[in-house]
Amino acid sequence: AQTVTQSQPEMSVQEAETVTLSCTYDTSESNYYLFWYKQPPSRQMILVIRQEAYKQQNATENRFSVNFQKAAKSFSLKISDSQLGDTAMYFCAFILPGGQGNLIFGKGTKLSVKP
Amino acid sequence: DTAVSQTPKYLVTQMGNDKSIKCEQNLGHDTMYWYKQDSKKFLKIMFSYNNKELIINETVPNRFSPKSPDKAHLNLHINSLELGDSAVYFCASSQFRSNEQYFGPGTRLTVT
Repeated sequence: AQTVTQSQPEMSVQEAETVTLSCTYDTSESNYYLFWYKQPPSRQMILVIRQEAYKQQNATENRFSVNFQKAAKSFSLKISDSQLGDTAMYFCAFILPGGQGNLIFGKGTKLSVKP
Repeated sequence: DTAVSQTPKYLVTQMGNDKSIKCEQNLGHDTMYWYKQDSKKFLKIMFSYNNKELIINETVPNRFSPKSPDKAHLNLHINSLELGDSAVYFCASSQFRSNEQYFGPGTRLTVT
């Protein structure tokens, strides 16, 4: 069975600085997808970034980038130039390809961006 | 236009009542899901429907019954509500064999 672990329940960062959120996962599969979702106080789940396991290049979306270490089963999220609007819960998630299974979430990291 | 919508956004009801939450998506997806987010923010899949057929049913009490009149709608009906059912329920959709799921705004259910 696949599991996703986020070891940082809460983090804080000053506005304009950089912060990294950690995620590790466990699977015996070689092909899968990883995601970071953001849940602001509005409660909406927003897809931030995705990574395909067979791609070595780390995904990037504007100020958000990942450090994907397949051998270590690590998938961290880096937020550069943090903004107040980045304050939210961040969830790491895993899914097998092709509708084979469920989207499995970590327990989340609460990020606070301070002015 | 809202891609995945849920109604109501808030639902307060008493133990023992029966309630429904509606979900609609206008993305043309053929797979829809229900997730439960508990008080500790943990998200877990409850049901998945592909082309109106149940394809995943996690260990959810049979008081919960998903109903899909067509592939754009997946409603969640809950019988005999209990205090422990209080949570936020999210609907999501995707194209089958796609790996990205799009979430609705969530419904906060409070059982008193």
